[in-house]
Amino acid sequence: AQSVTQLGSHVSVSEGALVLLRCNYSSSVPPYLFWYVQYPNQGLQLLLKYTSAATLVKGINGFEAEFKKSETSFHLTKPSAHMSDAAEYFCAVSDESSASKIIFGSGTRLSIRP
Amino acid sequence: GAGVSQSPSNKVTEKGKDVELRCDPISGHTALYWYRQRLGQGLEFLIYFQGNSAPDKSGLPSDRFSAERTGESVSTLTIQRTQQEDSAVYLCASSFVRGSNEQFFGPGTRLTVL
Repeated sequence: AQSVTQLGSHVSVSEGALVLLRCNYSSSVPPYLFWYVQYPNQGLQLLLKYTSAATLVKGINGFEAEFKKSETSFHLTKPSAHMSDAAEYFCAVSDESSASKIIFGSGTRLSIRP
Repeated sequence: GAGVSQSPSNKVTEKGKDVELRCDPISGHTALYWYRQRLGQGLEFLIYFQGNSAPDKSGLPSDRFSAERTGESVSTLTIQRTQQEDSAVYLCASSFVRGSNEQFFGPGTRLTVL
């Protein structure tokens, strides 16, 4: 069975600081992994996805994530936080065997301090 | 249209009334999903439609909730005899069911039950 764990329901960083949002997954087969972002009062928007190509995936707005099979992790990073990055971030997993559902993590709220 | 659309964007209703929420998926997407997102919480899967297959209703919280989909187009989520705990944002997503199964989300319907 697939599952996703996001460590830290709320992360706060200073503007210009490194952003690191943690995600660990479990899947019995090679997974597809996603990060979605939800800005206040909006729907979810795909930030980036891993589909068994390069393990380092670059997304929109300067975000990237690295798939580490040995650690079953897919942490999201950005070198320098911007005030506009304040949002809710969701990690998600699916695989070819499920072919339907994507399992979402519980989300991490990112706050940016001036 | 280019993306997933949902209507209404906001719905305020009285306890005990029935409500109907609508989702228009991206044209050609065979899969359609409904999620519920309570204030400050993650996504709760409700129901999944894929082509002509029987829908996966495993996430519906009670028999007051039901959903229909016409072919591979519009879907409606109906909540009968609404309760205050039904207040949430209801999100719809659609996808191709092949490859990475990336889901595209609508902006959501914010339901408030007084």
